[in-house]
Amino acid sequence: DQQVKQNSPSLSVQEGRISILNCDYTNSMFDYFLWYKKYPAEGPTFLISISSIKDKNEDGRFTVFLNKSAKHLSLHIVPSQPGDSAVYFCAALSQGGSEKLVFGKGTKLTVNP
Amino acid sequence: EAGVAQSPRYKIIEKRQSVAFWCNPISGHATLYWYQQILGQGPKLLIQFQNNGVVDDSQLPKDRFSAERLKGVDSTLKIQPAKLEDSAVYLCASSPGTGEFFGPGTRLTVL
Repeated sequence: DQQVKQNSPSLSVQEGRISILNCDYTNSMFDYFLWYKKYPAEGPTFLISISSIKDKNEDGRFTVFLNKSAKHLSLHIVPSQPGDSAVYFCAALSQGGSEKLVFGKGTKLTVNP
Repeated sequence: EAGVAQSPRYKIIEKRQSVAFWCNPISGHATLYWYQQILGQGPKLLIQFQNNGVVDDSQLPKDRFSAERLKGVDSTLKIQPAKLEDSAVYLCASSPGTGEFFGPGTRLTVL
């Protein structure tokens, strides 16, 4: 039972263009969502998060959008840079519950120069 | 600030052997997590410690996996005996309360 789904295993974009990574969730108790970035042979690093009381959070080139009714969130990277090439994990938790992070399978982003 | 340290970085063993992983969290972080990341999947929580007490070990295969954090600082995760399906990256993370900081992981290959 996959509660957090990233249906695109990979995404390839040109440098300077927008990268859009998608994530869907099934558990309506999730109220906090995070994106992690992972380079090979390194652990995931926190990128950006959003609380369910918001529908958008922006940090520099990174913006996360949350659509609660659709149980969908997306990460936008604009403009994309070759250094953004990594695996991106979507994660969710219920702050009033176990507060256990549930991860998606990840999307491998490749930004071509 | 030093990050989460893990060792070894890589380990290859044969099935039915035992293996242990070590984690040194960021100083002052009360919460420590062990995750298992199988190739092509996201990290899955195995066990969560708050200081030296277990908060959540519901997804830890307790017949073969064990973990301890005796002094509330370093932690070890042990697999005994290992199975082929245990091949994965084992990630340790620590948290001061909000946000998790991950170590580089230990890549385990079971032959």
